Amino acid sequence: GAVVSQHPSRVICKSGTSVKIECRSLDFQATTMFWYRQFPKKSLMLMATSNEGSKATYEQGVEKDKFLINHASLTLSTLTVTSAHPEDSSFYICSARDMQLRGNTQYFGPGTRLTVL
Amino acid sequence: DAKTTQPPSMDCAEGRAANLPCNHSTISGNEYVYWYRQIHSQGPQYIIHGLKNNETNEMASLIITEDRKSSTLILPHATLRDTAVYYCIVRVGGYGGSQGNLIFGKGTKLSVKP
Repeated sequence: GAVVSQHPSRVICKSGTSVKIECRSLDFQATTMFWYRQFPKKSLMLMATSNEGSKATYEQGVEKDKFLINHASLTLSTLTVTSAHPEDSSFYICSARDMQLRGNTQYFGPGTRLTVL
Repeated sequence: DAKTTQPPSMDCAEGRAANLPCNHSTISGNEYVYWYRQIHSQGPQYIIHGLKNNETNEMASLIITEDRKSSTLILPHATLRDTAVYYCIVRVGGYGGSQGNLIFGKGTKLSVKP
């Protein structure tokens, strides 16, 4: 299957700081990327959808000023958690959709574990 | 909310077939059935998807009932590494720009035992 990478895999930060997470599609072009969040023992929750070159679409209840998403190229999307607080500690997972070759199947990155102290 | 219903957990003996059921009684004509799995602390892994015909790939087989209201994912020879949470998701699919989003339910926790 297609490969999606995330960096970093794990980050610990102090409350009030900002954290940037990168998501890359390594062997295909992704016009659409997705960001999910997963709390312990819970299922994945879609946060936002981003299309290359345009503003992200956020799900209800997700603060767009807190979770900044940039999708500047067909292979890279970034999620910045601004002014992070302990309640933002979670497993953040990105996903990319290959529009051209793989029947629009969506592939997921390995996730980023964020811990805010 | 997820449009599918799955049992919360299942056990399977190593080497035996694992049959994971999914109900999607309100599925629309243009919605596909997708299966993903998530091994602990990893991102979800795509397994298989289908519209109305049965599908098979190197990982699994997908059996969809004729009325499309339910499906079964079959792992023919389960191994310990198949222990994971399996998610059945219905989504508008196909080619073009009108696909729906993948909305995850609670899935089925499959435990493969030696």
